[in-house]
Amino acid sequence: DGGITQSPKYLFRKEGQNVTLSCEQNLNHDAMYWYRQDPGQGLRLIYYSQIVNDFQKGDIAEGYSVSREKKESFPLTVTSAQKNPTAFYLCASTRTSGGAGGELFFGEGSRLTVL
Amino acid sequence: DAKTTQPPSMDCAEGRAANLPCNHSTISGNEYVYWYRQIHSQGPQYIIHGLKNNETNEMASLIITEDRKSSTLILPHATLRDTAVYYCIVRALWSGGGADGLTFGKGTHLIIQP
Repeated sequence: DGGITQSPKYLFRKEGQNVTLSCEQNLNHDAMYWYRQDPGQGLRLIYYSQIVNDFQKGDIAEGYSVSREKKESFPLTVTSAQKNPTAFYLCASTRTSGGAGGELFFGEGSRLTVL
Repeated sequence: DAKTTQPPSMDCAEGRAANLPCNHSTISGNEYVYWYRQIHSQGPQYIIHGLKNNETNEMASLIITEDRKSSTLILPHATLRDTAVYYCIVRALWSGGGADGLTFGKGTHLIIQP
């Protein structure tokens, strides 16, 4: 079945370490997004990409980096520069042309805890 | 800032209709209203979207006022599994990116009471 797969589901890291969260989709979607969610809060946009080899900063990009070398993949690196990295991270994708819909499809999320 | 306003929480009795309001007074002519819901610790799930006409699918109905400044999501026969946070967002169809319109506010925490 088509969908978005995020891994790992749970991740622990020590302060000062970089960590990369994986996001893969087989929906043939052009646009992909990374969100961060803190307890009791809404979703805040970190980075987004509308096409391969191109991406833009969202509202809270500081301390994060991304790449989009393949249409299917949009990994997020949480760097040591991110002051409060402990959070729930969500990846999403959507089509950008043709037909009905336009809805975002989300992965199941990755929960990062910094020890 | 989020372009929508929703009550932080609502209760509804099981089996009754749950009506979730959303204000979007600054909505543009090319922006659609989308609803999602998020069950605890899962990714949000798309429910329904609409432009100006009322919409219905197997999950819910969407009622949009004539001036498009507000809308209501209706779950016709709420069950305990409908307990979740419901998000209302507005965005232009095929707007592939941009922080504007793709930021989710805190949503409405709907609690279905047995």
